[in-house]
Amino acid sequence: DADVTQTPRNRITKTGKRIMLECSQTKGHDRMYWYRQDPGLGLRLIYYSFDVKDINKGEISDGYSVSRQAQAKFSLSLESAIPNQTALYFCATSLDDNEQFFGPGTRLTVL
Amino acid sequence: QKEVEQNSGPLSVPEGAIASLNCTYSDRVSQSFFWYRQYSGKSPELIMSIYSNGDKEDGRFTAQLNKASQYVSLLIRDSQPSDSATYLCAVNSKGGGSQGNLIFGKGTKLSVKP
Repeated sequence: DADVTQTPRNRITKTGKRIMLECSQTKGHDRMYWYRQDPGLGLRLIYYSFDVKDINKGEISDGYSVSRQAQAKFSLSLESAIPNQTALYFCATSLDDNEQFFGPGTRLTVL
Repeated sequence: QKEVEQNSGPLSVPEGAIASLNCTYSDRVSQSFFWYRQYSGKSPELIMSIYSNGDKEDGRFTAQLNKASQYVSLLIRDSQPSDSATYLCAVNSKGGGSQGNLIFGKGTKLSVKP
């Protein structure tokens, strides 16, 4: 059983479309994160949440929004997708300041 | 700006050799250090964590931490082709608005040749 799941796993969309990436976890962790990964740029933090009522911007939040629907669910939205948002997106969870556990990732292509 | 630096590689080693991966970090108050392995197109997988100076061994992997030099390394003994992956160093950096989030290096690509 996967502890952190992401849907969809792959998505191709067009410029200007709104899309949502979803993340669910069964680890019981309060903290959840969204990252994007681009070749040569490493993992960059988009948003993070330490509990249901806590949402924080990360390094590169412009063009993105999030929703923490429950302890187990954290969604990332692109309000109007643009081609430079083409990337691999990862959700992660953690119990505290230490180890983070990653979902399988969503490969997003914006045409 | 807190930073974690890694040589991007590729680091190429023959099968059976020791692979040595290095990481330096800028924030002196960092307290927790992690190594992740990431296969191409897959998600990062935690393989080692280290919190105090010295060595920590787990099977073929040894993590080494030197806080005075702000340096953490990962040694892989008896390297196998299946170890070929990108290795990410991550550092917990408290203070300065980071709220204790992990800061990741860009990774070192390791290639183990049969």
